[in-house]
Amino acid sequence: DAKTTQPPSMDCAEGRAANLPCNHSTISGNEYVYWYRQIHSQGPQYIIHGLKNNETNEMASLIITEDRKSSTLILPHATLRDTAVYYCIVRVRGTNAGKSTFGDGTTLTVKP
Amino acid sequence: GAGVSQSPSNKVTEKGKDVELRCDPISGHTALYWYRQSLGQGLEFLIYFQGNSAPDKSGLPSDRFSAERTGGSVSTLTIQRTQQEDSAVYLCASSSGGELFFGEGSRLTVL
Repeated sequence: DAKTTQPPSMDCAEGRAANLPCNHSTISGNEYVYWYRQIHSQGPQYIIHGLKNNETNEMASLIITEDRKSSTLILPHATLRDTAVYYCIVRVRGTNAGKSTFGDGTTLTVKP
Repeated sequence: GAGVSQSPSNKVTEKGKDVELRCDPISGHTALYWYRQSLGQGLEFLIYFQGNSAPDKSGLPSDRFSAERTGGSVSTLTIQRTQQEDSAVYLCASSSGGELFFGEGSRLTVL
């Protein structure tokens, strides 16, 4: 699995957009970008994934650069409940996806 | 159940004892993962099972750690002769090839 790099922490004001960056400069052509978040004392929760096109779901948007070496997770209107550790990983899809390596993630603190 | 189930949710043991942690994956998921998370740290990969293939054990920290997956479903992570540094939350995840679905973890405390 390709290594990802994320800032250790970020703050965001409640109601504002939270933009969380991730660098994955060694990503392979068949690897997807996945985002998860972990709220205190819970298991990680899947948020969104993408290959090369931008993606949006009810939780967030994912912007992937054209060269696929970095991406940004966007929470359009952050709430206090979005305070969590956010993990960016890259992995292939399919039955032989192999192990998935998580880094230390970004601790997002949403402030009132 | 609908999600990944782990038991026990909390385990306190004495140094030197053996412990077993159980993971019940989502039905039909062929891939199963174990991770360890020490306090304030990220997820450390331990072991990965995929169908009937040999497991990827590359993340197991020592030979005191082992895991098995019976019948392609339930998995047990065993830690022998526990040490205080084994204290952590042990997370299990399953997948059908896409996103990982995590359980709530088993918190192990070694006194």
